[in-house]
Amino acid sequence: KQEVTQIPAALSVPEGENLVLNCSFTDSAIYNLQWFRQDPGKGLTSLLLIQSSQREQTSGRLNASLDKSSGRSTLYIAASQPGDSATYLCAVKGAGNNRKLIWGLGTSLAVNP
Amino acid sequence: NAGVMQNPRHLVRRRGQEARLRCSPMKGHSHVYWYRQLPEEGLKFMVYLQKENIIDESGMPKERFSAEFPKEGPSILRIQQVVRGDSAAYFCASSPDQIAYEQYFGPGTRLTVT
Repeated sequence: KQEVTQIPAALSVPEGENLVLNCSFTDSAIYNLQWFRQDPGKGLTSLLLIQSSQREQTSGRLNASLDKSSGRSTLYIAASQPGDSATYLCAVKGAGNNRKLIWGLGTSLAVNP
Repeated sequence: NAGVMQNPRHLVRRRGQEARLRCSPMKGHSHVYWYRQLPEEGLKFMVYLQKENIIDESGMPKERFSAEFPKEGPSILRIQQVVRGDSAAYFCASSPDQIAYEQYFGPGTRLTVT
């Protein structure tokens, strides 16, 4: 049974720091992995999607890497800003015909001015 | 191309009433997924539907919950005789046919049971 873990659960950093959020999954047979952002009481914003055949994806100050064999993904945020404060969620889609996403509990990030 | 639409955005029901949550997928998407986010918990898969078919309902509670995605119209998640523990954010996502494509999420419906 696939399980997704995110570390740390919470993170508080001063503005301008580069930071890394971690996501691990127990079953390496995944189709893809997605990183989302969720602001308090709001919906889900998709940040990056990495297919199982890919090693990384980049969008602006965000870079996500995937090491499928070791069951790990990292989300790197460069030059953090207060507007980056949110909960970051990692979700994996298993291989095969089952399309459901399995979610981590998220990392709650606070970037302090 | 409008995104995934969910309504209502907020729904308040008294215990014992029925709740109906609607999801209109993106144009051209034939796959719909429902997820639930309980307070202080992670998102959990509930059900996966294609037009007129339930593909995977392994995450649905055994009683009171049902889902449909008719040939015409939105997907409906129905909760009968709601209880306080049903209070949560319910998110719908849709995707096109190709499995490699990502799921696109709606803004969610926040259900409060009083």
